Parts: sequence; C-alpha cells; structure tokens
Amino acid sequence: QAVLTQPASLSASPGASASLTCTLRSGINVATSRIYWYQQKPGSPPQYLLRYKSDLDKHQGTGVPRRFSGSKDASANAGILLISGLQSEDEGDYYCMIWHNSSAVVFGGGTKLTVL
Amino acid sequence: QVQLVESGGGVVQPGKSLRLSCTTSGFTFTDYGFNWVRQAPGKGLEWVALIWFDGSDIYYGDPVKGRFTVSRDDSKSTVYLQMSSLRADDTATYYCARRYGDGVDFWGQGTLVTVSS
Repeated sequence: QAVLTQPASLSASPGASASLTCTLRSGINVATSRIYWYQQKPGSPPQYLLRYKSDLDKHQGTGVPRRFSGSKDASANAGILLISGLQSEDEGDYYCMIWHNSSAVVFGGGTKLTVL
Repeated sequence: QVQLVESGGGVVQPGKSLRLSCTTSGFTFTDYGFNWVRQAPGKGLEWVALIWFDGSDIYYGDPVKGRFTVSRDDSKSTVYLQMSSLRADDTATYYCARRYGDGVDFWGQGTLVTVSS
C-alpha cells in the first residue's frame, strides 16, 4: 500500500469548489502529519501551494490565492486541498507530500484536475 | 529573487555516470537543505535525495541508494547529484528543490536525463 494515495483525476465546473484528497497509509496518523501541496502545469516545474498540519500550523505559499486552502479529514486519515471558485487556470496536476519517518520525502501519485 | 538552475543533463548510455549541478542565487545558501526530485516522462514526482543545510545529514530514495551521491559546495552555492550505474528507468527530468521546513518551497526548471544505448 502506498504511503500517500491520491485519486488519479477529478473534474469540476468553473466557479465550483474542488476537494483533492491525500489519504495516508494506515499507521501514519494524519493528525500529526504536516502535508504539503504542489501544483504542476504541463511543461513547468511544480509550484508550492501550501502546507497544512492544523489551523495553528499552516503556511500559504507566496502569491498563492486564498481560495486554495488546506484541511484534514481525520475519519478518513486524509489531508485535503480545497480550491474554491474554480478557474480554468487551476487545471493541472496536484501532488501532496510528507516527510516520512524522519528520513524520506514521499509524494502522492498526483491528481489531474480538469475544470470544465 | 530565489533561483535554482539545474544543468548537466543529457543522453547517457546504461551503466555510465553523469553529474548534475544545481546553481542557486537570491538567498543565503547555507541556511537551506536541498532535495533532488525526478519525474519520468508522463509520470508523477519521485523523491531522489536530500542533503541537510550543513551537509550533516543525507538521505536517499530506495531506487538510487548506493548509486547516487548528493553533495554541496557552499563556496559556489551549488548542489550536485552524482549518478552512477545509470539504468533506463533513471530516465527523467531531475529537479533541484529547496527544503522548507520539512517540505519544499522553490523548484528549479529541471534538467532532462535520458539513459539509452
């Protein structure tokens, strides 16, 4: 079982909200995990969006709109990237990441977001 | 502004070696650790290696352990990735990425490594 699992794709309409999930493997507690989110568009490197552990431990990347936010679903052991007021420019691949076992960076497999 | 510029990519035969460089500017180099992250064509991100801000700790992803070596030259504000015993599945765009907290904030544009005979 992968450390971080993301749905391969998600579609949503312009102006709507999209919740991108990042499920942590059983045994890794989302409550104590700091989850990073990145956006990647075709032909470009990933860009840092935000970090979320709790409402008291979070960080927004420089210039990242407030309509991008982080949260968690403890019941699902998952981190969530919420994008509100979807725009066509939000299309792209989204990756979650954690620092695992104090010795390795782990990325989720990525979610391709389509806005249509 | 923060800049990370990778170089050294190219086409290399299986079993050969290659060294990538990541030249940085716009911030205090010695305050930061650096990751190498790769992305095979059409695939997701895969972490390769991490070197601590002072070089005291180094970590590698399982697929490259024993074959790749990360290092840094503080006098040149540059991070290196020495790759040896290259295989076809090492073919990817290699990104240098600055460590922020226990994650990554800034990324370079990447350099493409193609392992092929």
